[in-house]
Amino acid sequence: EPEVTQTPSHQVTQMGQEVILRCVPISNHLYFYWYRQILGQKVEFLVSFYNNEISEKSEIFDDQFSVERPDGSNFTLKIRSTKLEDSAMYFCASSKLGQPQHFGDGTRLSIL
Amino acid sequence: GEDVEQSLFLSVREGDSSVINCTYTDSSSTYLYWYKQEPGAGLQLLTYIFSNMDMKQDQRLTVLLNKKDKHLSLRIADTQTGDSAIYFCAESRDDKIIFGKGTRLHILP
Repeated sequence: EPEVTQTPSHQVTQMGQEVILRCVPISNHLYFYWYRQILGQKVEFLVSFYNNEISEKSEIFDDQFSVERPDGSNFTLKIRSTKLEDSAMYFCASSKLGQPQHFGDGTRLSIL
Repeated sequence: GEDVEQSLFLSVREGDSSVINCTYTDSSSTYLYWYKQEPGAGLQLLTYIFSNMDMKQDQRLTVLLNKKDKHLSLRIADTQTGDSAIYFCAESRDDKIIFGKGTRLHILP
């Protein structure tokens, strides 16, 4: 069964550094999403993306965050200047129109 | 409120049925979901139900939906040690999924 894949599985970064989290959505999906889960808390929506544009974003997704689909297969989340509170598990998801979202295994981001 | 609510903990004896309950908020949600998360792992889509259905059964899993009360439940028959995990109830809302805080299912021997 096709899967959403995310790399790396664990990223350790110094505070203030830029980080890029990568995702390869399921190949025939057109809708892409990022969520995050701070340790011990619930999963929170960050952003949705369709047709090379952001469809919706949450309050968490401020100017430090950006998303991009640089080619036909990758979907990336960039955090420009990381803060300690950005430490979390970041999940990518993808879906077809009107269909359930399928999630990757996540990238654990640790900010030192 | 705007939250998806579910109890935080459930303990069940191995072999018994587990029932995890959830209330959601948006009556226009298209899908209601159950995701499973094992320690240190990602989110596994366990099952989902379309909002115009009342019940969905998939092997040991039974999902019941009461739209009037905005209540969703997940029943796991013959609970096994491998079912030990956090179970997230979630609803689709516009372009996103809104998750509950998760119910930690603990299996007693």
